Amino acid sequence: DAGITQSPRHKVTETGTPVTLRCHQTENHRYMYWYRQDPGHGLRLIHYSYGVKDTDKGEVSDGYSVSRSKTEDFLLTLESATSSQTSVYFCAISNGQPEAFFGQGTRLTVV
Amino acid sequence: ELKVEQNPLFLSMQEGKNYTIYCNYSTTSDRLYWYRQDPGKSLESLFVLLSNGAVKQEGRLMASLDTKARLSTLHITAAVHDLSATYFCAVDRGTYKYIFGTGTRLKVLA
Repeated sequence: DAGITQSPRHKVTETGTPVTLRCHQTENHRYMYWYRQDPGHGLRLIHYSYGVKDTDKGEVSDGYSVSRSKTEDFLLTLESATSSQTSVYFCAISNGQPEAFFGQGTRLTVV
Repeated sequence: ELKVEQNPLFLSMQEGKNYTIYCNYSTTSDRLYWYRQDPGKSLESLFVLLSNGAVKQEGRLMASLDTKARLSTLHITAAVHDLSATYFCAVDRGTYKYIFGTGTRLKVLA
């Protein structure tokens, strides 16, 4: 596996609470991404980052924010979790080589 | 809007048989990727296809890309149980921002 660590791996939270997921890489890759995976949808891009403090929205960004204060860390925050955000979240990294590499995923359940 | 469609969504096949998974996409792109995912696991890169006519093979899997038809195929030859997994194609919108297909869940029966 590429050096990508997601934390936590599993989380159950209540509706309305803020939640932060962390993606940590040891590869010094410039690009980082957050995707969510839901049955019938494949993976969908939430937010991505071109570098430190340089982020942009993906196709399903509503209700999410991100921050990247260091090359190695990309944080995804659910500002006020809703049941529709129950999903598996994957972080991915790329250094400009053809493919991106994915982390192990975080399973988030909002009750 | 770029859309990526895979078919079939589910595929149950006997060991030793051949089959093809199709990936159609709606706008021009020269970069297409195939990933494999085992249940509860991450995505593993299988193939990177970077130009029209590209063909890559690894073991019993072969992937091809026709950018003019906006079609990629993943061909399985003489399937074995270990190939059971979900297979995704993904098209690059630029800067490695992928649009994924919905996935094909493959089950190979002994």
